[in-house]
Amino acid sequence: GAGVSQSPSNKVTEKGKDVELRCDPISGHTALYWYRQSLGQGLEFLIYFQGNSAPDKSGLPSDRFSAERTGGSVSTLTIQRTQQEDSAVYLCASSLTSGGAVDTQYFGPGTRLTVL
Amino acid sequence: DQQVKQNSPSLSVQEGRISILNCDYTNSMFDYFLWYKKYPAEGPTFLISISSIKDKNEDGRFTVFLNKSAKHLSLHIVPSQPGDSAVYFCAASSPNFGNEKLTFGTGTRLTIIP
Repeated sequence: GAGVSQSPSNKVTEKGKDVELRCDPISGHTALYWYRQSLGQGLEFLIYFQGNSAPDKSGLPSDRFSAERTGGSVSTLTIQRTQQEDSAVYLCASSLTSGGAVDTQYFGPGTRLTVL
Repeated sequence: DQQVKQNSPSLSVQEGRISILNCDYTNSMFDYFLWYKKYPAEGPTFLISISSIKDKNEDGRFTVFLNKSAKHLSLHIVPSQPGDSAVYFCAASSPNFGNEKLTFGTGTRLTIIP
C-alpha cells in the first residue's frame, strides 16, 4: 500500500515569507508526527497528533510554527516569517496508533526547506 | 543538550564483515530504543528495537545490544552487505515524555566496501 507522502519535496523561499508543508499519512493511521532535521543534527520532534485529541505541540521551536490536521488525515505544517535557521528537512511520520507501547513510526521522504 | 549521542559520524566496513554502530544516551528515563536506517532522499525506515527489560534483540542479520548500566546500545550487522550502506539513527523514548516522542541521535553513515 501507499506510504507516507510529503509535498513539496523541495522548497526554496525568501526570508520573511510563509511556507506550508503537507503530509499525507498512511491510510488508517491515527497518529501523525512532524520532525525536522537540521544540518548535522538528529531528528528533532516538533508536534504530534493522535486522533481527535489536542495535539502535543511541545517541540515547536517558536510561535511562528503551527500545524493542523484536517479530518484526522492530512496535516499541514506552516512556518510564518521564515528565518534562515528554519532551513532543514521536515519529516512527517505516521503510526497505526499510539497507546502505551511504542508503535512503529513510518516516515515520509521529507521536504527540504531552504530559506535564503 | 544531546540526550542521544552517536559519536561516530561515519564508518566503513568491508563486505562480509561485522558492522558495529554505537549509541549512548544520558537520560535514564529512556526505556525503549530503536534503530532506523535512512537512504538518501528517503525517510528513515524502522530496523529493530529493544525494550529496557532486555539486553539483546535479534532479527536476521541485525542484533541490538543494550547495556543499561553504561547507557549504551549497539547495532551489529553481520555479515555486512552493500545494501546496508545508509545512515543509521539511534532513537529512544520514555513513557515520561510520552512514548510517541522519539529522541534521535545525529546518525552514523555506514559504507560497505565491496
